[in-house]
Amino acid sequence: DAEITQSPRHKITETGRQVTLACHQTWNHNNMFWYRQDLGHGLRLIHYSYGVQDTNKGEVSDGYSVSRSNTEDLPLTLESAASSQTSVYFCASSGQGINTDTQYFGPGTRLTVL
Amino acid sequence: DQQVKQNSPSLSVQEGRISILNCDYTNSMFDYFLWYKKYPAEGPTFLISISSIKDKNEDGRFTVFLNKSAKHLSLHIVPSQPGDSAVYFCAASARLNSGAGSYQLTFGKGTKLSVIP
Repeated sequence: DAEITQSPRHKITETGRQVTLACHQTWNHNNMFWYRQDLGHGLRLIHYSYGVQDTNKGEVSDGYSVSRSNTEDLPLTLESAASSQTSVYFCASSGQGINTDTQYFGPGTRLTVL
Repeated sequence: DQQVKQNSPSLSVQEGRISILNCDYTNSMFDYFLWYKKYPAEGPTFLISISSIKDKNEDGRFTVFLNKSAKHLSLHIVPSQPGDSAVYFCAASARLNSGAGSYQLTFGKGTKLSVIP
């Protein structure tokens, strides 16, 4: 069955370190998204991609970067982790066709920056 | 500026009764609306959606109503079950009005539903 996975599921790191969160989908979806979820804020869009080599900034992109070298993967990199980036991160994907707006989410990565 | 608002952070309902979750939006360009359900330690899962050309969409126990003039939508769950206890997110898209290539969703902050046995 097609799915979307994230790794690691939990990560503890220190301020200033570079961190990369992985997202892999087997839906063959063109569109991929990264969100963070924080109490009182719901889901906020960090970066998104509509295809290979395409990346775009979302609402809260400062301090984050993404790259899209193939259809299946959209890794999220925190260049220099800050305590404000402690959050739960979700990756999502959506495809072509009738239900392009429906995004399918991964299980999330809980990141703690000490 | 919050474009999608879920003004009730939490809601408690007795098992078997109706749960009504509300969502308001401010952007008149939104033309597609979705509800997601999220359990703790899991990713959000798609529940039901509605296009702006409709005012109602039903799927089993779940019905979404859209009032475009009021910029308001609601999710009805009948009858409510303990397994429905979760956080529910309302989301909106402006893809059709924005033209091809725009697939972003704007989410509300969520409503935590507790169904009491």
